[in-house]
Order: sequence, then C-alpha cells, then structure tokens
Amino acid sequence: GAVVSQHPSWVICKSGTSVKIECRSLDFQATTMFWYRQFPKQSLMLMATSNEGSKATYEQGVEKDKFLINHASLTLSTLTVTSAHPEDSSFYICSAQQGEYNEQFFGPGTRLTVL
Amino acid sequence: GQNIDQPTEMTATEGAIVQINCTYQTSGFNGLFWYQQHAGEAPTFLSYNVLDGLEEKGRFSSFLSRSKGYSYLLLKELQMKDSASYLCAVLDSNYQLIWGAGTKLIIKP
Repeated sequence: GAVVSQHPSWVICKSGTSVKIECRSLDFQATTMFWYRQFPKQSLMLMATSNEGSKATYEQGVEKDKFLINHASLTLSTLTVTSAHPEDSSFYICSAQQGEYNEQFFGPGTRLTVL
Repeated sequence: GQNIDQPTEMTATEGAIVQINCTYQTSGFNGLFWYQQHAGEAPTFLSYNVLDGLEEKGRFSSFLSRSKGYSYLLLKELQMKDSASYLCAVLDSNYQLIWGAGTKLIIKP
C-alpha cells in the first residue's frame, strides 16, 4: 500500500513558538492531502484539505492564520502551527488518497506538546 | 446535519467473534470505510463498502445496507492485538469523509 511519512514524530515547544510538521507521500504523488487533529479519546477532526499548487481549504472554526498549510509539491505538504499555545497540544495526523478505493493512507502522526 | 453513530466501547473475549455497528445519516453517500487505530498511532485502512452486502477479508468482514444507513464490522477469531479503536467513516455527496467517534474494542484473555 501507499506510504505516508510525517516528521517530526513528536515535538515539545514553549508557548509562543512556531512548529512545522512535514507530511510526505513516499511512493506516490498526492495532489490532495488532509490534515487532522485528534485530542485524547476523541475522533479525528479534519482541519483542512491541502491542495498542491493552490490554497488550502479550511474547515469551519479552524484559524487559517494560525495553522498555515503549504503544499508546494506533489509529495510534500507542511502544517505550521504559529504562536503555539498549550491548548494546541494534540496529535496531528496527515493523510493522502490513493489506492483502488481512493482510501486515505495516514502518516504516523505528530504528537505536539506546548508548555 | 451529518451524523455517524457507533458504540463508544465494547469488550470481547480472545478467540470469540464481535460485531461493531455503525449507523449514518449523511448528505449523499459514496461509500463507507472502516479503519483500525491502535492507541497513539494513526488509523489504518481495513475495508470499503459502496454496494449492499458483505465483504470478507480474512478474519474481518464488513457489511453495508444503504437503505438502512447501516454497516457493521465483524471480527472473527479475536486476538489480543485486535484491541484498538475501530472508526467508521462515510464519504458524502461532496466526497468529504465524515468520521464517527470510533469504538474502543477491549479484548480479554
């Protein structure tokens, strides 16, 4: 199956700093990638749809200026959490569609802890 | 609004069979997915149903009834490693994936 990687796996940062998370499709090209956030014991929450070469589409309630998404190539999308605060601490997961059913393949996730 | 319901938690015994149900109400339907998610990890794809009926894949089977807005995931010969959350997700008319909250399955020896 398709492989999606994420980097870093986990990050701890101070409040007010910015954190960049990379999502790569390793063996296929992805014109569309998705960014999710998941709080403990809760379901996945779609934050935005990242489109190669164009602006991301954000879900209602997600701040565009806080969560900057860049999809500069067919294999890389980045999510930057700007001026992170403790309430941004969460598990961030990216995915890309591929395969017979256009199913989503997920990256391993990035656990962000903001102190 | 769009809604997907699944039980929050289920418990089963190693070697037994368990059925996890999912009901949905969405604007349109372009298929239903089941994913498995172990604690602290990202989800992995299990199955996809778009037509009514049962799809079998090894120990796991998935059933769909579009008229009833209903699906289930059937797990046979349960193993301890099957302890995980199972997520039901529906692709709506806009090809947006609507996620259920997941069912935490606990397997006991």
